[in-house]
Amino acid sequence: EVQLVESGGGLVQPGRSMKLSCAASGFTFNNYDMAWVCQAPKKGLEWVATISYDGSSTYYRDSVKGRFTISRDNAKSTLYLQMDSLRSEDTATYYCARGRIDYWGQGVMVTVSS
Amino acid sequence: DIVLTQAPLSVSVTPGESASISCRSSKSLLSSKGITSLYWYLQRPGKSPQLLIYQMSNLASGVPDRFSSSGSETDFTLKISKVETEDVGVYYCGHRLEYPLTFGSGTKLEIK
Repeated sequence: EVQLVESGGGLVQPGRSMKLSCAASGFTFNNYDMAWVCQAPKKGLEWVATISYDGSSTYYRDSVKGRFTISRDNAKSTLYLQMDSLRSEDTATYYCARGRIDYWGQGVMVTVSS
Repeated sequence: DIVLTQAPLSVSVTPGESASISCRSSKSLLSSKGITSLYWYLQRPGKSPQLLIYQMSNLASGVPDRFSSSGSETDFTLKISKVETEDVGVYYCGHRLEYPLTFGSGTKLEIK
C-alpha cells in the first residue's frame, strides 16, 4: 500500500524558514518523480514543485522560485520542501504527492503569521 | 500557464441520479505522445484529494465504474452515474502536460 506521511508543519513568523518532510513507503521511491501541492484555507489546489526521480531536475511555480527548494533522499525514501522567506500567503496545507500526482499524503498545515 | 475552467461551481444531486462536471482547458492537452493529459480528483470533506481518472478516460485503481470521463483536446466531462452519498465533496480537474501544473477551481457536489 502506497503511504506518504508529511511532517514538519506548524506556526512560523513571516520571513522565517520551515522544512517539510514526506516519508514514502509501499512503492519504489527512486522510480518516481515527486511533488508538493498546497491548498490555502477554503481554497483550491495549487501545484508547488516537482523533483525528478533521481533529483537531477526540479520545477517550481513562479511564486516560490528562489524561496522554496524541493529535494529528496532516495536512500531514506524521503521528500523534502525547504521553505525560506515565508510570507502570509504561503499559509496552506501542503500535500506530498507521487509522480503524476496519483497518490497524496494526508497533508501538513503551515501557518505563516506574526 | 494553462487555465482550466470548471463548471458548474456546485451541483446538487438526488441519490441514484447522474451528475456531470465540465472542465475546459485554455490549451490542447494532447501530448506529443498521443496522450491526453487530463486528470480528475475528488476531495471528500476533511480529506486529501484522491485520483479518480487519469489521462482523460482511465479509471484509477479502486474507483467504482460509476465514474467515467470523456472529451476532446480541450473540453472534458466527468460523469457520475447513480450518485451515492459517499460521492460528496469537491471535484477538481488537473493537467500534467507541462509546468506549471494547474488545477481547475473545483466543483462542489452535494446531495439533495
